[in-house]
Amino acid sequence: QVQLVQSGAEVKKPGASVKVSCKASGYTFTNYGISWVRQAPGQGLEWMGWVSTYNGNTIYAQKLQGRVTMTTDTSTSTAYMELRSLRSDDTAVYYCARYSLWGPRGYCSGGNCYSGWFDPWGQGILVTVSS
Amino acid sequence: QSVLTQAPSVSGAPGQRVTISCTGSSSNIGAGYDVHWYQQLPGTAPKLLIYGNTNRPSGVPDRFSGSKSATSASLAITGLQAEDEADYYCQSYDSSLSVVVFGGGTKLTVL
Repeated sequence: QVQLVQSGAEVKKPGASVKVSCKASGYTFTNYGISWVRQAPGQGLEWMGWVSTYNGNTIYAQKLQGRVTMTTDTSTSTAYMELRSLRSDDTAVYYCARYSLWGPRGYCSGGNCYSGWFDPWGQGILVTVSS
Repeated sequence: QSVLTQAPSVSGAPGQRVTISCTGSSSNIGAGYDVHWYQQLPGTAPKLLIYGNTNRPSGVPDRFSGSKSATSASLAITGLQAEDEADYYCQSYDSSLSVVVFGGGTKLTVL
């Protein structure tokens, strides 16, 4: 079955970096991009960015620009997300999710507009930033 | 503050029907972009519930249905069950921000 399996929980000090992984199985990895979404404790979902598994192109949320890097390894069907200069408000559960559209952006065609959806999701990784 | 607006909470008794709304603007739902819904059970990852406004993935009961009009979308749950107690999120795309956007989530309590 199609699934994404993420690495284990991380505890980091402020200013450090974290790199988490997301291994895909059950489908052709390079046919779908991977997005990362995070959820702070008790809060909603925040889209972080998208990486093409085909050519490595990326697009990041503006607030994370300069601190985040998303990459993939097609030989192992694994996506990675690295977040640097960690702060306490980066404490969150980080999810990877397969994005249904080829590219990161919605598009309009034939009078209809399409936004992609996320399915499936990884199980999530709790990253705790604390001194 | 989320680009898509959802009520923080909604409740209903077992067997009842509840609706969860998602309000956007002219740059997202109002621009014609479709809406997707996710169910997040406590302590678990979100799960796709409705895609493309009205479509249910395989395995999602037909008690769940979606609709969209103008600048808003709705998720309806009929025959409410205890296991439906969860957080529900809507998601679309915003052409002004050029990013995927989520609603703030609605916590459904089954009384």
